[in-house]
Amino acid sequence: GESVGLHLPTLSVQEGDNSIINCAYSNSASDYFIWYKQESGKGPQFIIDIRSNMDKRQGQRVTVLLNKTVKHLSLQIAATQPGDSAVYFCAENPSGNTPLVFGKGTRLSVIA
Amino acid sequence: EAGVAQSPRYKIIEKRQSVAFWCNPISGHATLYWYQQILGQGPKLLIQFQNNGVVDDSQLPKDRFSAERLKGVDSTLKIQPAKLEDSAVYLCASSTGQGGYTFGSGTRLTVV
Repeated sequence: GESVGLHLPTLSVQEGDNSIINCAYSNSASDYFIWYKQESGKGPQFIIDIRSNMDKRQGQRVTVLLNKTVKHLSLQIAATQPGDSAVYFCAENPSGNTPLVFGKGTRLSVIA
Repeated sequence: EAGVAQSPRYKIIEKRQSVAFWCNPISGHATLYWYQQILGQGPKLLIQFQNNGVVDDSQLPKDRFSAERLKGVDSTLKIQPAKLEDSAVYLCASSTGQGGYTFGSGTRLTVV
């Protein structure tokens, strides 16, 4: 069935280092992907998105890479800061107006 | 612009009691979603509305959960009767129908 998952449940990085959070998806028909950041006690917050006709998209300090061949998505955070500590979710849109399907999440901890 | 408003922020009830959550989406957003997020997991869709009509409620436990969006703006989600396993954060999100969603802060429900 359709599912989105993450390779690691937790990730610890030193402040200033780059972080890479991975996600595997199973639905090859998915055409839109989003990364969300969720801080404790808050709802998920949009970080960056990418459509299936692209393989890379950059934002401010964040980059999303999409490898459709192996159905893999990654989020790269440059110069990780303490404020980046949160749980990160990838989400996929299987098609059209169907709702987003979320993965299980990766908790990023930044060590000062 | 104002974000997605949800209330209450927290609710503690005994099993078999009923509870209702309220959501006010971003003005002009036609699509509204209710997600359930159990601790340590990603959000799971309960129901999707397009204006005042239900688009997808396939994952809503209809024997105890109900939701409405009568005027196509605010929405309420009700649980009756609640079970212990309903303890979760209930997230409301809205969108224009394209792109990412904007989430509210959620209602944390504890069933004891």
